[in-house]
Amino acid sequence: ETGVTQSPTHLIKTRGQQVTLRCSSQSGHNTVSWYQQALGQGPQFIFQYYREEENGRGNFPPRFSGLQFPNYSSELNVNALELDDSALYLCASSLPGLAEETQYFGPGTRLLVL
Amino acid sequence: SQQGEEDPQALSIQEGENATMNCSYKTSINNLQWYRQNSGRGLVHLILIRSNEREKHSGRLRVTLDTSKKSSSLLITASRAADTASYFCATDARVNDYKLSFGAGTTVTVRA
Repeated sequence: ETGVTQSPTHLIKTRGQQVTLRCSSQSGHNTVSWYQQALGQGPQFIFQYYREEENGRGNFPPRFSGLQFPNYSSELNVNALELDDSALYLCASSLPGLAEETQYFGPGTRLLVL
Repeated sequence: SQQGEEDPQALSIQEGENATMNCSYKTSINNLQWYRQNSGRGLVHLILIRSNEREKHSGRLRVTLDTSKKSSSLLITASRAADTASYFCATDARVNDYKLSFGAGTTVTVRA
C-alpha cells in the first residue's frame, strides 16, 4: 500500500454530466499528478499540482480541471462528460522537487460514461 | 503522446522461467522507470534508472538502459505466479517538461 487513497472506487455517469474525483496524497507529499488510463493503454498525464498551483498539463481539454487543497489532497473535475472519458483515473503523489522520480499511485477510480 | 513503447504486448511463461520485456522511446530522457500494475489497479514503482546509468538491479529485477538505441529492458528472473501483471516503462524528458510519459505496457502471465 502506498498511502495514497482515491474516492470513489467506481462511478457511472451519463454523457453531458459532470464528475469530481478525489485523491489524498501520501503524508509529506505536496505534489499530486493525475492520469487517465483507457482500457489496454498506459496512463496518460492530465496535469500536476504543486503547492495548490497547476504545475504542468498534458494534452487534455479545459473541461478537465483540478484543485489542490492546503492539506495537499486534490480533486479532478470533468465537465460535459463524453463516452471516451470512460477510463481508470489515477492520482499519484511525490516528494517536493522530485515529481519526475518515484511516484506513489492510488488504486484509481474507474469511471464509466454511458 | 506516449513516449515509450513496450515489446512484446503480451508474454506467457512458466513459473521459474525468466521474463524479458523491452521499452523503446523517442527523445532524449532524464530518467526511465518501470512500474507494475495488477488487474487494472494502481501502479507500483519497481525501479528507476538514470540516463547516465547502464544497468541496475533490485532483487529479481534487472534493468538495462541503452541511450544510443533509446531502449531499455526489464528482466524478471525466476518468475512467480505473483509476477502476473502489466509492466509499464515511463520516461521523463525535457520535451515533456519532465512529466512522466508511459508506454502501453507488456502483460505478463506466469503459469503455475
